[in-house]
Amino acid sequence: DIVMTQSPDSLAVSLGERATLNCKSSQSVLYNSDNNNYLAWYQQKPGQPPKLLIQWASARESGVPDRFSGSGSGTDFTLTISSLQAEDVAVYYCQQYYSNPFTFGPGTKVDIK
Amino acid sequence: EVQLVESGGGLVKPGGSLRLSCVGSGFTFSNAWMNWVRQAPGKGLEWIGRFKSKANGGTIEYAAPVKGRFTVSRDDSINMFYLHMNSLKIEDTALYYCTTGRVFDIWGQGTMVTVSS
Repeated sequence: DIVMTQSPDSLAVSLGERATLNCKSSQSVLYNSDNNNYLAWYQQKPGQPPKLLIQWASARESGVPDRFSGSGSGTDFTLTISSLQAEDVAVYYCQQYYSNPFTFGPGTKVDIK
Repeated sequence: EVQLVESGGGLVKPGGSLRLSCVGSGFTFSNAWMNWVRQAPGKGLEWIGRFKSKANGGTIEYAAPVKGRFTVSRDDSINMFYLHMNSLKIEDTALYYCTTGRVFDIWGQGTMVTVSS
């Protein structure tokens, strides 16, 4: 199984400041035949289901604000919130869809400082 | 409006069975890969099973903790996706979400399953 780890466990950022969330997979999720990273990011607010933010490591979903960006390749990935807004308070999960089982990281909780 | 609605959760004793249902609307259900993802109280997300669309071979996959106990099925004629759960364990207690896609782009609100004596 591919094990996903995330760091930090939690972080508090001032409104308008940058938040950087890290995700690491225990093996590469870059599929050589199509040169795509099979890595997604989700946002989960309290009492709500998760929401897909980014797929293919860096492709933002329609309607997701452009302050959210994804980067990385292979085994190391980053989700950046360029200017934190109050509505961004949530837990963020990375997930690999490279191979069964399609595993999630344990999440990073983002709060306002 | 694109929507998934789960139902069928409840309280069940260890060793018992339960069937969860998920109805989809607002999209072409028969083309969708359907998944179940669960979340234990206060914990993270765990993918447990998938049923690809018939056009993509109708392949079924399970995560190891549920393989042999849980079964996914679908009825595209009525836009329904199911999770049949047998031999339930206390550790199966969770909120069960129905989701679509290879990446999980549409989610329901979930249905709660509590396994307790």
